[in-house]
Amino acid sequence: ETGVTQTPRHLVMGMTNKKSLKCEQHLGHNAMYWYKQSAKKPLELMFVYNFKEQTENNSVPSRFSPECPNSSHLFLHLHTLQPEDSALYLCASSQEIAGGNPYEQYFGPGTRLTVT
Amino acid sequence: GQNIDQPTEMTATEGAIVQINCTYQTSGFNGLFWYQQHAGEAPTFLSYNVLDGLEEKGRFSSFLSRSKGYSYLLLKELQMKDSASYLCAVMDSNYQLIWGAGTKLIIKP
Repeated sequence: ETGVTQTPRHLVMGMTNKKSLKCEQHLGHNAMYWYKQSAKKPLELMFVYNFKEQTENNSVPSRFSPECPNSSHLFLHLHTLQPEDSALYLCASSQEIAGGNPYEQYFGPGTRLTVT
Repeated sequence: GQNIDQPTEMTATEGAIVQINCTYQTSGFNGLFWYQQHAGEAPTFLSYNVLDGLEEKGRFSSFLSRSKGYSYLLLKELQMKDSASYLCAVMDSNYQLIWGAGTKLIIKP
């Protein structure tokens, strides 16, 4: 247990569906992240929130929409996805993002997403 | 561009020692992290290096040479439970992690 939980653990959705991934951290952290992990590829950073403010959006298609209502919760809303979006989606948190302080990230177990 | 290179897969024997290398080219450097990821599980933090040299933590050690853009993770007295992927990541000038694709380590009895 890393203190970061994600639901659902597995999700199969059609290309016309709308679904949401949920992440919750119980560590008192102020930064939260969404990553995409595909087989044999590096983790791809998608979105970053620091104190509930989005600080990074790494050219992610608009069919992925993040939401961070408070420092403990992070959502990833999905709509009209493509089969190539099938991957493991990992949530992570860290104490904060501050210059001069390279805090480690704590990861959730991920949501295995399959788009049919 | 930014690049992190590490071997795709390595095999070692239980009880032996293995060294997993990582080379990097990034815009800025605020430290290098190693994470362990068992199949189907979350990556978990192993080590952090920001200064040159060796950091030892039990059976695991991590080395950094900033001038060479090089790090390695050394695992001693290998156990079957060490079978996992090992991820190298560099924190860039924006304090974001740039990740390698991971090294899958297979331990044989």
